[in-house]
Amino acid sequence: DTGVSQDPRHKITKRGQNVTFRCDPISEHNRLYWYRQTLGQGPEFLTYFQNEAQLEKSRLLSDRFSAERPKGSFSTLEIQRTEQGDSAMYLCASSFGGEDENIQYFGAGTRLSVL
Amino acid sequence: AQKVTQAQTEISVVEKEDVTLDCVYETRDTTYYLFWYKQPPSGELVFLIRRNSFDEQNEISGRYSWNFQKSTSSFNFTITASQVVDSAVYFCALSEAYTGRRALTFGSGTRLQVQP
Repeated sequence: DTGVSQDPRHKITKRGQNVTFRCDPISEHNRLYWYRQTLGQGPEFLTYFQNEAQLEKSRLLSDRFSAERPKGSFSTLEIQRTEQGDSAMYLCASSFGGEDENIQYFGAGTRLSVL
Repeated sequence: AQKVTQAQTEISVVEKEDVTLDCVYETRDTTYYLFWYKQPPSGELVFLIRRNSFDEQNEISGRYSWNFQKSTSSFNFTITASQVVDSAVYFCALSEAYTGRRALTFGSGTRLQVQP
C-alpha cells in the first residue's frame, strides 16, 4: 500500500502531556499538509510543507503546536501541554504538482483523546 | 475569506434512489478549485473530483455527476441509483488556484445514509 500513512491511529493522553504524531506521505509527493477534524465538522487546515519548508500556517496552530518535516519526507506534529480541547482527529495529506495541482490525498488520521 | 456551506446535515434515501448533495461557496478569488471528498465510516477521506473555476462543464463519472454553476456559486453532487456502499459523509471543499496557498476550506459535510 503506497497511500498516506499515519501513526499512531489512536492516542489517549492525560491533560498536560506532550504527544507526537507521524505522517508518511505518498512517496513521490513533495507537499504535505496537516488538518484537524472535530466531531461533526469538516477538516480544518493547520499547516503545509513543500519539501522541508513550512510555507503556510493557520491561526489554529497555537504556540503549543509544532510541525516538522526535516528531510522533506515524513512529518511530525507535536502538541505540548495538551488540553481537552485538543481532542480531535488529526489528518495528514500529501499532494504532487503538475496536472494534479492541489489534489490532496489523505491518510486515515490519528484520533487524539485528552482526558 | 473563503467559506463553504453544506446546508444538508443528513440525508436518508432508499437504495436506487437518486440523491443530490448541495454545496454553496464564497470566495473573492477569481481562480479557485472546488473539490468533493467522501469519508466512509473507516474515516479516511477519499478524493472524488477537482474542478477548476474556469471550467464550468458538468462532469459525469459512472453514477456520479457534478453540476458547477458559477452564477450561483454552487457545486452540487448527484449520485444516481444510490447503493448502500454510498453511505458516508461527503465534504465539499474550496482552495485558491495558481497561488502559493494550498489550504483546503471544507464545508461541514453531509451524511448520506442509503437504506437497503
